[in-house]
Amino acid sequence: GENVEQHPSTLSVQEGDSAVIKCTYSDSASNYFPWYKQELGKRPQLIIDIRSNVGEKKDQRIAVTLNKTAKHFSLHITETQPEDSAVYFCAATGYSTLTFGKGTMLLVSP
Amino acid sequence: EAQVTQNPRYLITVTGKKLTVTCSQNMNHEYMSWYRQDPGLGLRQIYYSMNVEVTDKGDVPEGYKVSRKEKRNFPLILESPSPNQTSLYFCASSPTMTDTQYFGPGTRLTVL
Repeated sequence: GENVEQHPSTLSVQEGDSAVIKCTYSDSASNYFPWYKQELGKRPQLIIDIRSNVGEKKDQRIAVTLNKTAKHFSLHITETQPEDSAVYFCAATGYSTLTFGKGTMLLVSP
Repeated sequence: EAQVTQNPRYLITVTGKKLTVTCSQNMNHEYMSWYRQDPGLGLRQIYYSMNVEVTDKGDVPEGYKVSRKEKRNFPLILESPSPNQTSLYFCASSPTMTDTQYFGPGTRLTVL
């Protein structure tokens, strides 16, 4: 089955800095790569996703890049704000399952 | 309002006492799944369903059962709960697997 590795597990930045979270996947047939944000005590919510026919996607301060050859994808957050503090999960599709990484706790200090 | 609901939200039970966690969605989604979330392990898929009467195992199915008799409902059944099933459980639905997953509010289960 699909295996998704996510790094780092914890990331601390100062407000205004950029944050980058990286994920690798094992199944070369995977074609959908979403990112979810989970605030403390809340449910995960989609923040951005990318499909295998696209190399990069941007939505305001958030961007995701995908390198299918190397089987890795990354989340980039620019101009971080305290409200960006949360746990972020990457995921990748297998045949009919969605496999999540173990998560990255992002802490943005004012 | 479009939503995924789960019940109960909190449950404390004892080893071996059968329980069911309900999940319902009102968005006419075909794909539904159950996840468990444990510290340091992220979200792990237990079971998923691609449509009515179609269910399959995810990564951690042992000790769980599901059914999908109607499109909107996808209950999770623990026939004989054990302490290692103490966890936070999320139900999710989406139009297909490769669309935004909408998560329920979660069910925190403690098995003593």
